[in-house]
Amino acid sequence: DSGVTQTPKHLITATGQRVTLRCSPRSGDLSVYWYQQSLDQGLQFLIQYYNGEERAKGNILERFSAQQFPDLHSELNLSSLELGDSALYFCASSAYAGGGTEAFFGQGTRLTVV
Amino acid sequence: DAKTTQPPSMDCAEGRAANLPCNHSTISGNEYVYWYRQIHSQGPQYIIHGLKNNETNEMASLIITEDRKSSTLILPHATLRDTAVYYCIVRVGGKNNNDMRFGAGTRLTVKP
Repeated sequence: DSGVTQTPKHLITATGQRVTLRCSPRSGDLSVYWYQQSLDQGLQFLIQYYNGEERAKGNILERFSAQQFPDLHSELNLSSLELGDSALYFCASSAYAGGGTEAFFGQGTRLTVV
Repeated sequence: DAKTTQPPSMDCAEGRAANLPCNHSTISGNEYVYWYRQIHSQGPQYIIHGLKNNETNEMASLIITEDRKSSTLILPHATLRDTAVYYCIVRVGGKNNNDMRFGAGTRLTVKP
């Protein structure tokens, strides 16, 4: 158990809908990262937050948004969903934003868009 | 962050050491080398990281060349459960830095 909790574990929704994925970081971790992994693809970095502020942005679509709340949990919002958004979405957390500290991953949310 | 190059796949016999190479020839002096692995569709698992010196923990050893342009992850006695995709990444040190991006990794298959 990495200490990073993601909910829900599975989500099935229709095209055009909006969903929210939740991530609770390890206790004390200030930085949260979001990744997308489509079937048999690599981990695509989406966005990073550090202590409530956006720190880095990857190839995140405009239909997607995220935020980190004062209690440090984070949510990834996916809207106008398309079939191609079906993927595993992982959240990771680390104590700080940079290297020198390890990041730990949750077990992911499997999103299926039908 | 500097980019890394890893072989796409490797095989290893069960019980033998698995040596996974990683090239990071453009690494900067303040960039750490990290290794993660992903077993099937589980969340990636942190293995080890280092800056200049070789590192060892209960899972693996990390050997970094003196010029820091390459490194090797060593799993001393590979088991079938070590079959996974192994990722080598580099990250700038410090508290106020940036993202953590993964490449394609090396798919290690441990065979009986």
